[in-house]
Amino acid sequence: GDSVTQMEGPVTLSEEAFLTINCTYTATGYPSLFWYVQYPGEGLQLLLKATKADDKGSNKGFEATYRKETTSFHLEKGSVQVSDSAVYFCALSDTGTSGSRLTFGEGTQLTVNP
Amino acid sequence: NAGVMQNPRHLVRRRGQEARLRCSPMKGHSHVYWYRQLPEEGLKFMVYLQKENIIDESGMPKERFSAEFPKEGPSILRIQQVVRGDSAAYFCASSPLRQRGSTGELFFGEGSRLTVL
Repeated sequence: GDSVTQMEGPVTLSEEAFLTINCTYTATGYPSLFWYVQYPGEGLQLLLKATKADDKGSNKGFEATYRKETTSFHLEKGSVQVSDSAVYFCALSDTGTSGSRLTFGEGTQLTVNP
Repeated sequence: NAGVMQNPRHLVRRRGQEARLRCSPMKGHSHVYWYRQLPEEGLKFMVYLQKENIIDESGMPKERFSAEFPKEGPSILRIQQVVRGDSAAYFCASSPLRQRGSTGELFFGEGSRLTVL
């Protein structure tokens, strides 16, 4: 079945450092790929998405490119802020159904220190 | 346009009691999904439903757990005879009927945090 593997955390960075969180996936067909963010005590918010190979999703300075050849969707940000501290989840959507069931990675806890 | 609404936000139950969690999807959304997040873990799919139909319940425990999405009213996730291991955050999400060209995005509620004493 479909699966998502994320870089293990936790990740601790200083403010303005470069961030990479690795994500690889296994899927049949051509799923859409997502990054969701969860702030403490809250639900998940969509951060960015990509629907086909070579698409780049971007939002709030974060970017991720859908790489079909390496089955990856790594999250990057050039300069992190304290407010980026959260848990980040990579996810893919299955195909061929009327709904949109998502399969999530285990999540990566990011802490940014001032 | 209101987002996905879940209640209660926090629920405390003693072992053996029943827990009922409610979810109202976003306006215009026909599908509801339930996920469970155990402490320090990721989200695990439980079930997804369309009005009056369970589409996929492959992630639901075989006993004590049930879900419904009636024609009128919110979706309900019901846990009977709760045990300590049921303590978790339960997230509901919704989506419209998937159409050609849609991205498959889910919209999440804030979650219901169940504590079993």
